[in-house]
Amino acid sequence: EVQLVESGGGLVQPGGSLRLSCAASGFTFNNYNMNWVRQAPGKGLEWVSYINSGGATIFYADSVKGRFTISRDNAENSLYLQMNSLRDEDTAVYYCARVPGMTSRTTMDYWGQGTLVTVSS
Amino acid sequence: QSVLTQPPSVSAAPGQKVTISCSGSNSNIANNYVSWYHQLPGTAPKLLIYENNKRPSGIPDRFSGSKSATSATLGITGLQTGDEADYYCGSWDTSLTAVVFGGGTRLTVL
Repeated sequence: EVQLVESGGGLVQPGGSLRLSCAASGFTFNNYNMNWVRQAPGKGLEWVSYINSGGATIFYADSVKGRFTISRDNAENSLYLQMNSLRDEDTAVYYCARVPGMTSRTTMDYWGQGTLVTVSS
Repeated sequence: QSVLTQPPSVSAAPGQKVTISCSGSNSNIANNYVSWYHQLPGTAPKLLIYENNKRPSGIPDRFSGSKSATSATLGITGLQTGDEADYYCGSWDTSLTAVVFGGGTRLTVL
């Protein structure tokens, strides 16, 4: 069974940092590209970042560029999102989502349950 | 403001058909694939349609997708109360080098 489990969310002050993790199981992680997608309370989906299966191709939303860093450890079947210089507007549930190889980057066939990040003083 | 434009809400009676539109531009929908997701309250989004009109295994053929020029459409037939959810379209934007989503459409089954 495919599982994606996010962790690392919590309450952080503006300007602070957090590192989110996404533990993958039930599939061959290094064959899949991955996305981070977030959803602010009561709002729609907002894509955050993409990383390909080997980690060589990375994209970021303009809203997080220069502050967030996506990475993966294929040996550990894990995806990460290092978030620095956090702002109030980064408050959201953060989801990791699997992207099958050879498909569009918007084809996210499995999602984790999400982890809540709250940026507040 | 979302790059892709969806109606905020649509409604229809059980058993009826509804369509949800998604309007974009040459930099996204016109030249890239479209995906559709639905999301029940408090749960993660679920993939309904990918590559414009393909259904993942387990998605019933009541759900269909189409694309024409800079717009895409999700169709749902035989509406059920369980279809009440938020629906999102998504595409790759070549100019932004980013995944872009619509603002979401809330479906109410009256």
